[in-house]
Amino acid sequence: GAVVSQHPSWVICKSGTSVKIECRSLDFQATTMFWYRQFPKQSLMLMATSNEGSKATYEQGVEKDKFLINHASLTLSTLTVTSAHPEDSSFYICSARVQGVSGANVLTFGAGSRLTVL
Amino acid sequence: AQSVTQLGSHVSVSEGALVLLRCNYSSSVPPYLFWYVQYPNQGLQLLLKYTSAATLVKGINGFEAEFKKSETSFHLTKPSAHMSDAAEYFCAVSPYSSASKIIFGSGTRLSIRP
Repeated sequence: GAVVSQHPSWVICKSGTSVKIECRSLDFQATTMFWYRQFPKQSLMLMATSNEGSKATYEQGVEKDKFLINHASLTLSTLTVTSAHPEDSSFYICSARVQGVSGANVLTFGAGSRLTVL
Repeated sequence: AQSVTQLGSHVSVSEGALVLLRCNYSSSVPPYLFWYVQYPNQGLQLLLKYTSAATLVKGINGFEAEFKKSETSFHLTKPSAHMSDAAEYFCAVSPYSSASKIIFGSGTRLSIRP
């Protein structure tokens, strides 16, 4: 089945530095990927939709200059948290949409990346 | 607009007992409905999905869910809980004609008592 790989799974960085998280579709091409943020014991909040070859679409309230998304190929999307601060500490999850046989939109998720900003 | 409501942020059952996790949806169009499971520090795994075919949907790990339009519900059940079922469960809805966003419920944490 479709597999989405996310790297790194854990990252600790100092305040003010930038961190890049990669999301790869391993055995399929993904023209669209999604980035979510999840706070402890809460649901997933969609941050942005990453479109291959074009600009990402950000949800309301998400700073696009803070969370840079690049989808340069059909198998890779990256999320860069720029000038990270402790409040950016969170669990970031990506997903890719896979078209099922029935036509439903099935999302395949990466294992997530836990960011801790000191 | 679409939304899902999961009743009960935490459900605790004994091993071997029935598992029932509740989900109600709101949608102006026929929805696609999903249940996902999340184990600690991991991404989400699809349990099952409703795509307007059979109203009773069987998923992985012995879970199933029934789509009830009259009740706007899509509750998740499993006849006999296992310790390995302890996890966070998310109900989600997607627009019938949309190829993009899926909206998640707030999640229900399932605990299994020995």
